[in-house]
Amino acid sequence: IAGITQAPTSQILAAGRRMTLRCTQDMRHNAMYWYRQDLGLGLRLIHYSNTAGTTGKGEVPDGYSVSRANTDDFPLTLASAVPSQTSVYFCASKRTGDTGELFFGEGSRLTVL
Amino acid sequence: RKEVEQDPGPFNVPEGATVAFNCTYSNSASQSFFWYRQDCRKEPKLLMSVYSSGNEDGRFTAQLNRASQYISLLIRDSKLSDSATYLCAVNIFPRDNAGNMLTFGGGTRLMVKP
Repeated sequence: IAGITQAPTSQILAAGRRMTLRCTQDMRHNAMYWYRQDLGLGLRLIHYSNTAGTTGKGEVPDGYSVSRANTDDFPLTLASAVPSQTSVYFCASKRTGDTGELFFGEGSRLTVL
Repeated sequence: RKEVEQDPGPFNVPEGATVAFNCTYSNSASQSFFWYRQDCRKEPKLLMSVYSSGNEDGRFTAQLNRASQYISLLIRDSKLSDSATYLCAVNIFPRDNAGNMLTFGGGTRLMVKP
């Protein structure tokens, strides 16, 4: 593993199903983030975690939950997927307190039918 | 009004042209500013940070205007490989001081033609 790894890279899901997007980083970054990217709306923050054991809500948290049991992993769960959650999801990380560079995973393209 | 706004474009320019993008932000308490580049169907990657004094990296120049609350990116001598979407990002400290996070603009698409 080098950097941030997301899985799956692509998924088609029936509405109402539960889905977890996985995110793992090996850079020992304290802060991690989940964004969704939609055409015309740019990147919008869903949830974030400044350090293991803590999480916070971003701009569009409804319908999503996260956990941060350890430094490396930050999964995003859709408890009951809806078509409006069709999007590209990006996980990102950076060092806490560093106002600089966000490192992004390659994205997970999710389609909810 | 969105916190960070950009003209979505697309900007269609010939090779060798100079092109400039602006990005406005609404929160005057914003602390840090960045330009990211995103290629089609790829993840965003940091292009450059934007400092108060302005900064230059080769053909790219970034500027900050705090009074008018905008940042700009100037690309000189455009190359075909510059074709991408350019996202501005602003670091806004949340009111509860739980940490800081980047807020992104919607991106400006640049297409450089031969």
